[in-house]
Amino acid sequence: DAGVTQSPTHLIKTRGQQVTLRCSPKSGHDTVSWYQQALGQGPQFIFQYYEEEERQRGNFPDRFSGHQFPNYSSELNVNALLLGDSALYLCASSSAGAFNQPQHFGDGTRLSIL
Amino acid sequence: KQEVTQIPAALSVPEGENLVLNCSFTDSAIYNLQWFRQDPGKGLTSLLLIQSSQREQTSGRLNASLDKSSGRSTLYIAASQPGDSATYLCAVVAHDYKLSFGAGTTVTVRA
Repeated sequence: DAGVTQSPTHLIKTRGQQVTLRCSPKSGHDTVSWYQQALGQGPQFIFQYYEEEERQRGNFPDRFSGHQFPNYSSELNVNALLLGDSALYLCASSSAGAFNQPQHFGDGTRLSIL
Repeated sequence: KQEVTQIPAALSVPEGENLVLNCSFTDSAIYNLQWFRQDPGKGLTSLLLIQSSQREQTSGRLNASLDKSSGRSTLYIAASQPGDSATYLCAVVAHDYKLSFGAGTTVTVRA
């Protein structure tokens, strides 16, 4: 049973570029959440997708956008990259309404901005 | 806004000693609290989930307690081993369905 998979594992970009990160949820899960984890800090919630719509959003600018596909996989897009966007981006999956079931995380994408 | 704090930020113990990790949160209206383990450069592994109606959960050498009214949780790891070295994060889920994380406690177990 495959868990949450994310691609790519590492990415290097320069300021001003845009990037797309991808996530496939654990089998049986229909909800995908994205988190940004800066070095030495806890993950910060970016947004959550369910039924192909953004259900919740954290305190992130509109440069951060996402999408969920009919097969529940998801993309995170970041435009006009800044140095401060360098971080580990984590994807978590869960089942809608299953608030007392643990969320499952992928290994993340390490994004470095030069 | 939910604020989650973990104390201490780092901890170093000799092998065999018991570990006590603390987590506090400001808004007690939560659905559950989760403890995660994170190895360097890796994702998060869920260790324990405590529902808001529960007082504690146990898994092997791990035991987590929850005092929702005072906004506190404690993770106990018995008889620590070098393989327990990692960063431990606590997170709460409230009405907005998102996880709010602490900054973590980095544990080093010396052989």
